[in-house]
Amino acid sequence: RKEVEQDPGPFNVPEGATVAFNCTYSNSASQSFFWYRQDCRKEPKLLMSVYSSGNEDGRFTAQLNRASQYISLLIRDSKLSDSATYLCVVNGPDSWGKFQFGAGTQVVVTP
Amino acid sequence: GAVVSQHPSWVICKSGTSVKIECRSLDFQATTMFWYRQFPKQSLMLMATSNEGSKATYEQGVEKDKFLINHASLTLSTLTVTSAHPEDSSFYICSARVSQTQHFGDGTRLSIL
Repeated sequence: RKEVEQDPGPFNVPEGATVAFNCTYSNSASQSFFWYRQDCRKEPKLLMSVYSSGNEDGRFTAQLNRASQYISLLIRDSKLSDSATYLCVVNGPDSWGKFQFGAGTQVVVTP
Repeated sequence: GAVVSQHPSWVICKSGTSVKIECRSLDFQATTMFWYRQFPKQSLMLMATSNEGSKATYEQGVEKDKFLINHASLTLSTLTVTSAHPEDSSFYICSARVSQTQHFGDGTRLSIL
């Protein structure tokens, strides 16, 4: 079983709509969680950290469910520029900050 | 914010060539950098952790003699793919740890003919 699993998609979303997707992780001792955005043939860029109480950054809302070991990302009022692959990233309990990456969820926002 | 620069961004070379990729932290010191490889439609796979002034720590299955890592200063780590073959063609990305997260270089697309 992979340490971090994501639905690869693609999620085809009309412009202005809301889309949400999850990511599950296997290591219950994981401590830090992030969503990164990766455009085609580009490096990943940090979108937002995910906090225990859930957090929002503009149109993006992230949630953490430790009991069920998943995190989620919701995008409201989707823009064409939101089209990308969203990577779920989990940081292990060791202090060196080894990241475990999901394979990504592709989101395609259509006009 | 923290900036990580990676060079070159794209390399095309013949089989058997050795290729060096540089990763620089531009406005901060990075005692630890990470090297990843990503194949199309797959997740980033950690290859090794580069530690300034000491040997790199390689992940299981990654040949240390094939992928030479040097972290000679607090702002520079290099990855050399020795005697590259077509199966080494991939997207190589470095990152530097900044607080609790990581910032990534632009990535290097390596194509071996």
